Amino acid sequence: EDKVVQSPLSLVVHEGDTVTLNCSYEVTNFRSLLWYKQEKKAPTFLFMLTSSGIEKKSGRLSSILDKKELFSILNITATQTGDSAVYLCAVGDAGTALIFGKGTTLSVSS
Amino acid sequence: DARVTQTPRHKVTEMGQEVTMRCQPILGHNTVFWYRQTMMQGLELLAYFRNRAPLDDSGMPKDRFSAEMPDATLATLKIQPSEPRDSAVYFCASGPRGRRRTEAFFGQGTRLTVV
Repeated sequence: EDKVVQSPLSLVVHEGDTVTLNCSYEVTNFRSLLWYKQEKKAPTFLFMLTSSGIEKKSGRLSSILDKKELFSILNITATQTGDSAVYLCAVGDAGTALIFGKGTTLSVSS
Repeated sequence: DARVTQTPRHKVTEMGQEVTMRCQPILGHNTVFWYRQTMMQGLELLAYFRNRAPLDDSGMPKDRFSAEMPDATLATLKIQPSEPRDSAVYFCASGPRGRRRTEAFFGQGTRLTVV
């Protein structure tokens, strides 16, 4: 059965800290791995990764995929209170829709 | 500003009533997903369509849930009869054609409460 596991489930840090969120997966026909940020409402897209070893960056956020070890990490540097959210990892199988992990809840205190 | 539009945003209904949720995907997107989110289970896929054809609805309780795409601009999710355990946020998402088709853009969700 396809599955996506995220760790840690929750994390509390101080502003300015750097955090690393983990996502491991098992899917039959991997196509892509996506990261989403969910605040109070809908998940919003952050990154899509399809190739190993290529880092995607957007401001203070970056992500990388390891298709051999079947995991991805999402890094956030110099965290701000606005980074507080649930971060969701999802994996796309070649034939089906996205399978989501349970998410990591990040709380950044000032 | 292209976005997925869901209606209603909130719905409170009594057990046994029919509930219909609607979704307008982003224009030009040909994939539509229905997800349900609860604290316990997270985001679960209920059904998805590509080019209006249902591809997977294995996550949906067939006895009470049904999903349709009457046309390319409207997707519906119906629950009949509704039960308290159906209380959740229901998200519709749409995906573009081509190589990025597994990417999903989410609507704001319908928060359903069944009492």
